[in-house]
Amino acid sequence: EVQLLESGGGLVQPGGSLRLTCAASGFTFSSHWMSWVRQTPGKGLEWVANIQQDGSEKNYVDSVKGRFTISRDNAKKSMYLQMNSLRVEDTAVYYCARDDYGGNGHFDYWGQGTLVAVSS
Amino acid sequence: DIQMTQSPSSLSASVGDRVTITCRASQSISRYLNWYQQKPGKAPKVLIYVASSLQSGVPSRFSGSGSGTNFTLTISSLQPEDFATYYCQQGFRTPRTFGQGTRVDSK
Repeated sequence: EVQLLESGGGLVQPGGSLRLTCAASGFTFSSHWMSWVRQTPGKGLEWVANIQQDGSEKNYVDSVKGRFTISRDNAKKSMYLQMNSLRVEDTAVYYCARDDYGGNGHFDYWGQGTLVAVSS
Repeated sequence: DIQMTQSPSSLSASVGDRVTITCRASQSISRYLNWYQQKPGKAPKVLIYVASSLQSGVPSRFSGSGSGTNFTLTISSLQPEDFATYYCQQGFRTPRTFGQGTRVDSK
């Protein structure tokens, strides 16, 4: 059974940092692109970043470029999101999602999400 | 970035109704359009991918159509478990973008 489990969320002050972790199981992690997607009540669902199977290619939404870094460790079947210089507008539930193997651009499995709250 | 616009933003329907939600892309995305269902407190779940392919395990009352810029999600006979919010998402180009969602509630 495919499982994705996020951790690392919490309350942080503006300008602070957090590192999210996504632990994967039940599939060949190294065969899939992986993504982070966030959800806020005001802006709905927003794709944040993705990373290629071997970590060589990474893409980010403009609003987090230069502040967030996506990475992965295939040996540990884990993906990470290092979030620096956090802003109030980064407050959201952050989901880890598996990109489909066929390259069709959809997310076929999601984690349960972890809440990041940025507030003073 | 490709903008995705859903309509309506919300709708009220009864069990057994046929429900149609539309999604429009700001530029052609071929057939790289996906539909998700989300219930409160849960992660989104993919229903339809590449416009019309039914995800494994999803009931056949869900169907999708369209290409280019205009797409449709249809629920042929609404069931109680279908009351939820539905999102479209384009997989044509990075950044992947979502529609703003359509909430389906009980009339």
